[in-house]
Amino acid sequence: AQSVTQLGSHVSVSEGALVLLRCNYSSSVPPYLFWYVQYPNQGLQLLLKYTSAATLVKGINGFEAEFKKSETSFHLTKPSAHMSDAAEYFCAVSETLTSYDKVIFGPGTSLSVIP
Amino acid sequence: GAGVSQTPSNKVTEKGKYVELRCDPISGHTALYWYRQSLGQGPEFLIYFQGTGAADDSGLPNDRFFAVRPEGSVSTLKIQRTERGDSAVYLCASSFGAGSYNEQFFGPGTRLTVL
Repeated sequence: AQSVTQLGSHVSVSEGALVLLRCNYSSSVPPYLFWYVQYPNQGLQLLLKYTSAATLVKGINGFEAEFKKSETSFHLTKPSAHMSDAAEYFCAVSETLTSYDKVIFGPGTSLSVIP
Repeated sequence: GAGVSQTPSNKVTEKGKYVELRCDPISGHTALYWYRQSLGQGPEFLIYFQGTGAADDSGLPNDRFFAVRPEGSVSTLKIQRTERGDSAVYLCASSFGAGSYNEQFFGPGTRLTVL
């Protein structure tokens, strides 16, 4: 079964600093990979997804992620953090079953942005 | 347009009681998913519907949990004889189709507290 690990349950960055949230997956074949964001008291929102096209994926709000097969990683980055980026971020991987693709979520990383 | 809605937003109940949680998916979405998110964790898959049928209920923790989607639209998650360990946020998501290329749109969740 697929699994996702996210290094660091909590990350703090200064406003304007680089954001780096780490994600590693377990898969013997290139899967679909996702990053979701969850703002307080809101549902999850898709930031970006990797679908075996370009290895560098650009998402909403200036975020991007790079798929590295050799490292089984899909880290999320943003060059300059904004206060509004403070939220919970979840990396996820799809597991292809017979009739559909099940999405498996990581434990999440809480991002704080310090003014 | 309208997103996925879930009612109630909060539910407080006593141990041993029965609860129903409702999900209204986006109109036209045939796939519907239920997840459970415990504090500090990522969403955990519970059940997947394609149309009216539960195509995968392998994530339901035990037979106290049951879900229906009788007309292929609204779904209800039912929990019998609630236990304190059932306390969590229950998330519903819907998508146009079942493949990973179909984005899952999440509702805001129902926060269940079992006293």
